[in-house]
This record gives sequence, C-alpha cells and structure tokens, in this order.
Amino acid sequence: DSGVTQTPKHLITATGQRVTLRCSPRSGDLSVYWYQQSLDQGLQFLIQYYNGEERAKGNILERFSAQQFPDLHSELNLSSLELGDSALYFCASSVDINYEQYFGPGTRLTVT
Amino acid sequence: AQSVTQLDSQVPVFEEAPVELRCNYSSSVSVYLFWYVQYPNQGLQLLLKYLSGSTLVKGINGFEAEFNKSQTSFHLRKPSVHISDTAEYFCAVSDPAAGNKLTFGGGTRVLVKP
Repeated sequence: DSGVTQTPKHLITATGQRVTLRCSPRSGDLSVYWYQQSLDQGLQFLIQYYNGEERAKGNILERFSAQQFPDLHSELNLSSLELGDSALYFCASSVDINYEQYFGPGTRLTVT
Repeated sequence: AQSVTQLDSQVPVFEEAPVELRCNYSSSVSVYLFWYVQYPNQGLQLLLKYLSGSTLVKGINGFEAEFNKSQTSFHLRKPSVHISDTAEYFCAVSDPAAGNKLTFGGGTRVLVKP
C-alpha cells in the first residue's frame, strides 16, 4: 500500500458525460501528479500540482481539468467523454518536486 | 524532450533463472531514473531509483540496476526470479529541473515459468 488513495476504483459512463476522479496523496506529500495509462498510448503524464498550484502540464486534453485543494487532495475532471478516453488514470504523490513518486491504485474509466 | 526505450516488450524466463530488462533513454539534461513494477490489476510500485552517486542501485525484492551515462542505459537485473515476479516493468526518467514529471518506456512484460 503506497498510501495514495484514489476513488472510485471503477467508473463506467457514456459518451458525452462528465466524471470526476479523486486522489488523496500520502500524508505530508505536497506534489500530486496525474497519469493516463491506455493500451495505445502507454503511460502518459497529464498534469502536476504542487501545494495547490499547477506546476507542469503534459498531454492533457482541453476537455480535462484538474485542481488541488487546500487539504492537498486533487480531482481530475473529464468532460465530453469519448470512447478513446477509456483508460486507467493514476494519481501519484511526492513529498516535494524532486523526490520519487508513489502511485495510487488507479481509477479504471470505461466510456461506452 | 526526453524519451525512454524498453527494448523488450516481453521476456519469458524460467523460475530461479536470472533476468535482465533493458532500458535506454535520451535526454539533453541530467535526469533521474526509476524502475516501477505493475502487478496485474494494480498500481505502480517503485522498485528502485537513481538520483545521483553510485551507479549500481539496489532496490526491493532483490532487484538492482546499473546507470551507464555513456550508454544512456539503466538496465534492471535480478539474479534469480520467482513466480511472483510475473508482472510488467516500466523504466522512467524525470527531469528535476522541469517539475520532475515522469516519462515512461513502453513496459516489459515478464512471465516467469515454473
């Protein structure tokens, strides 16, 4: 158990819908990262937050957004969902920016 | 931009035999290097990391990796595998000057046979 929690574990929804994925970092970790794992794209970095501020952006679609709250948990919002958004979404946290990242168990999103 | 290449997509190996998983990276800057393991239907678990110092890094579960700057490689080894090592292994690099986001290789699926 890495100490990073993600909810829900599974999510099934229809095209065009909007979902919110939630992540709680390890106690004391200030930095949160979101990654997407899909069969065709592999593991890709989406976005990073550090102590509530956005620090880096990767291959994140405009339909996706995220935020980190004062209690340091983070949410990833996915809207206007398409079939191709079906993937595993991982959250990771680290104590600071230049430290190793610990991954949560992931949320499996299925868009039908 | 950084990239990571894992040269083998699948590696079958017999139980108690050694295994080596190859990883090469390209980067114009100094990077940190990591190996993660993903067991079926689970998240990624950190096996080991290279940040600086000794080029031979020891990790959990008997794994070790060697950083070779001239060959831009970070190969993972285990002298004797167990059935429980069946999993997918990911090599990753990060740029500490750019937020430390991870760039992953495509993964190597290790299947340990009895």
